[in-house]
Amino acid sequence: GAVVSQHPSRVICKSGTSVKIECRSLDFQATTMFWYRQFPKQSLMLMATSNEGSKATYEQGVEKDKFLINHASLTLSTLTVTSAHPEDSSFYICSASSNRLAGGQSWNEQFFGPGTRLTVL
Amino acid sequence: DAKTTQPTSMDCAEGRAANLPCNHSTISGNEYVYWYRQIHSQGPQYIIHGLKNNETNEMASLIITEDRKSSTLILPHATLRDTAVYYCIVSSTGTASKLTFGTGTRLQVTL
Repeated sequence: GAVVSQHPSRVICKSGTSVKIECRSLDFQATTMFWYRQFPKQSLMLMATSNEGSKATYEQGVEKDKFLINHASLTLSTLTVTSAHPEDSSFYICSASSNRLAGGQSWNEQFFGPGTRLTVL
Repeated sequence: DAKTTQPTSMDCAEGRAANLPCNHSTISGNEYVYWYRQIHSQGPQYIIHGLKNNETNEMASLIITEDRKSSTLILPHATLRDTAVYYCIVSSTGTASKLTFGTGTRLQVTL
């Protein structure tokens, strides 16, 4: 199956600094990528939809100036957490969308990265 | 996207079938039923999806009721490695279609 990687897998930073997380689709091109956030013992919450060559679409309540998303190529999207604070500590997961075809049917499948655990001190 | 309802947790003995139910009574005609699972501290993994027919792949089977208001994911022979949170999601199939994760079912497979 398709592989999505994230880098770094784990990051610890001081409050007030910015952190960049990369999401790459390794063996397919993805015009659409998604960024999720997951707090402990909670479900994944979609933060934004990242579209190659255009601005990201943010979910309600997600600050676009704090969570900067860049989707510069069909295989790379980045999420930058600006001026991070302890409440931004979370598990950040990206996914890349790919159209699959089998048995005469096509469908959209999202492939998820392994996640990045951010801890802000 | 339609909302889904799943039991919070389930237990299953290793080697037995795990049957995970999901209610999606407000599903619309163009929405598929997707199942993903998340093993602790990893990204979600796709399992299976379907529209109205039952589906089977190497991982699981998906049984969708005729009125499409509910479905059941079946893991035929559960192993300890199947311990995870299982998410039932309804969504349309475009590449920009969002997946809305509910709370899922925490499946614990025991010896």
